[in-house]
Formats: sequence, C-alpha cells, structure tokens
Amino acid sequence: QPALTQPASVSGSPGQSITISCTRSSSEVGAYHYVSWFQVHPGKAPKLMIYDVSNRPSGVPDRFSGSKSGNTASLTISGLQTEDEADYYCSSYSSFNTVVFGGGTKLSVL
Amino acid sequence: QVQLQQWGAGLLKPSETLSLTCAVYDASFSDYYWSWIRQAPGTGLEWIGNINHSGSTNYNPSLNSRVTISVDTSKNQFSLTLTSVTAADTAVYYCARVAHLWNSFENWGQGILVTVSS
Repeated sequence: QPALTQPASVSGSPGQSITISCTRSSSEVGAYHYVSWFQVHPGKAPKLMIYDVSNRPSGVPDRFSGSKSGNTASLTISGLQTEDEADYYCSSYSSFNTVVFGGGTKLSVL
Repeated sequence: QVQLQQWGAGLLKPSETLSLTCAVYDASFSDYYWSWIRQAPGTGLEWIGNINHSGSTNYNPSLNSRVTISVDTSKNQFSLTLTSVTAADTAVYYCARVAHLWNSFENWGQGILVTVSS
C-alpha cells in the first residue's frame, strides 16, 4: 500500500476549478506533516507549487492553493489555464526522517 | 537566484557504481539541506536522501544499503553515489535545495538521465 495515494488523472476546462487529492495510508505512523505539491511538465524539472500544506513560494500564482483535512491533503487550481496541464505530485514527511511522494496525477485541460 | 548544476556519467553497466555531483551557486550552502530525487521512465518521483553542510544524512530505506550522499563545503557541492546499479536504477536524477522544510524542494538541477544497460 503506497504511503500517499493520488488519483491517476483529473481533467477540467479552461476557467474551471479542479482539486487533486492526496490520501495518506493508514499504515503510516506519526502525524501527516509538511505536505508539498509539485508540477512536472514533460522533460522539465519539477516545480514546487505548495509547501507546508498551504504556503505558496514566491512567483506561484494564487490560483494554486493547498489544504488538508485529516489524512487527505488537496491541491486546488482555480481558473484553469492550458499551461496548467502537467503531472502533479504530492509529498510529505514520513517517519524516521524520510520523505515520500504520491504516485502522481495527470491533469488534462480540455 | 539559486542555481544547481549537476553532472556525472549517463551510461552504466549493471553492478557498476553511479556517481553524480551537484554544484550550488548563489545560495548560502550551510543554511539548507540538499537532496537527491529521481524519476524512472514513466513513473513517479522517488526521494533518495538528503544532507546538510555538516554531513548529516537521511536516506530512503529502500536504497539505504547502496546509497551515500556526501558534501564538499569548500566547493559548495554535494554528491550521490549508488552502488551495484541495475536496470531498475535507470532514471532521471535531480539534485534539489530544501528551502524551508523536509520536502520543500524549491530549486532543482537540470536533471541527468542515467541509463543502466549491458
């Protein structure tokens, strides 16, 4: 059972809002801390979009927002744009000073 | 603007040792943790480990027995060594700066595709 589970794909139309979930496995120990989200375009290095659940690095549009409730973190993109089409990965701190990533979600902007 | 530049061999044979280095520019090297992350073709991101300026490390348990991350503070560089590689280690390898917390990888190297093939 993976530590973090994401939907394989989500889609939306330009201007719409979408939400990508990231559910932590019940077998993970300790608190669900330090959730980050990354955007990955094909052939490019990942880009940090959200850190510590809901903080945006400088330069990331406020269309991107993060939240967490219980064992599920979420990335919401409002006002979808065609350039948002990419893979998105969540990540969290895991036990014993390690980091885990979710399996990734392919966002299609139709 | 923090920049990370990485280099190393891109083609290895099974059982050989992977060795990559990442140079850091325009960042206070001693203020952060530095990480290695990889992405195998068609799969997701995998955290390999991290290191700080004093050499304190943390590793992915699945790679722990084969991986070493080291640091050269005189050159603002850190390195990855992965022994006994197999085809499963074929991936794009990235170095990254941990900006705030454990997994806030805010700056990334350009990535290097390492292929393991006989």
